[in-house]
Amino acid sequence: GAGVSQSPSNKVTEKGKDVELRCDPISGHTALYWYRQSLGQGLEFLIYFQGNSAPDKSGLPSDRFSAERTGGSVSTLTIQRTQQEDSAVYLCASSRSFTYEQYFGPGTRLTVT
Amino acid sequence: AQSVAQPEDQVNVAEGNPLTVKCTYSVSGNPYLFWYVQYPNRGLQFLLKYITGDNLVKGSYGFEAEFNKSQTSFHLKKPSALVSDSALYFCAVRDGSSNTGKLIFGQGTTLQVKP
Repeated sequence: GAGVSQSPSNKVTEKGKDVELRCDPISGHTALYWYRQSLGQGLEFLIYFQGNSAPDKSGLPSDRFSAERTGGSVSTLTIQRTQQEDSAVYLCASSRSFTYEQYFGPGTRLTVT
Repeated sequence: AQSVAQPEDQVNVAEGNPLTVKCTYSVSGNPYLFWYVQYPNRGLQFLLKYITGDNLVKGSYGFEAEFNKSQTSFHLKKPSALVSDSALYFCAVRDGSSNTGKLIFGQGTTLQVKP
């Protein structure tokens, strides 16, 4: 079956611009996660959605970062006024529920120039 | 606070030899433990998990891991390494007593299998 998909695969943007990253989870998965992978910080949790519950935003590094999940499916991660330190690979994952293993998408490589 | 330690940045083994990639964890509640593998320019692939039950869990591609509660470890093992096993391996933990699904990852261990 189809896995987690993310778009775009690569994004180059200028410092100060806003970017939107998209994630399509596996059909039927109620839990969705965003992580960031960078050389200096490893894999960091950003945000988690579970059904209609309030999201766990505890990993968002600043108020420039936000995410939403519409209709319990597709999610968008938005970074406003991008900074060079935002350059990283942004990974999305989904799972049947929060107790199950997570399946990851291929990631979006964000480069801020 | 939850944490995961992978003490080795890189592990080198010869093809056909057994391999071990080490992981220790710290969590306040019951640990849910996972291993993932990442090939170059690819996302993470799930290998195996420990939730409860038998301390030895078997996963994909012939990998297994042993949960040791007293040593708070969850080392990844394979009896006979293949060159194609060369990749970056991540251990992760979730606090099973919490109602959040967030995973805490180790820094990763690069496995190099030489012919």
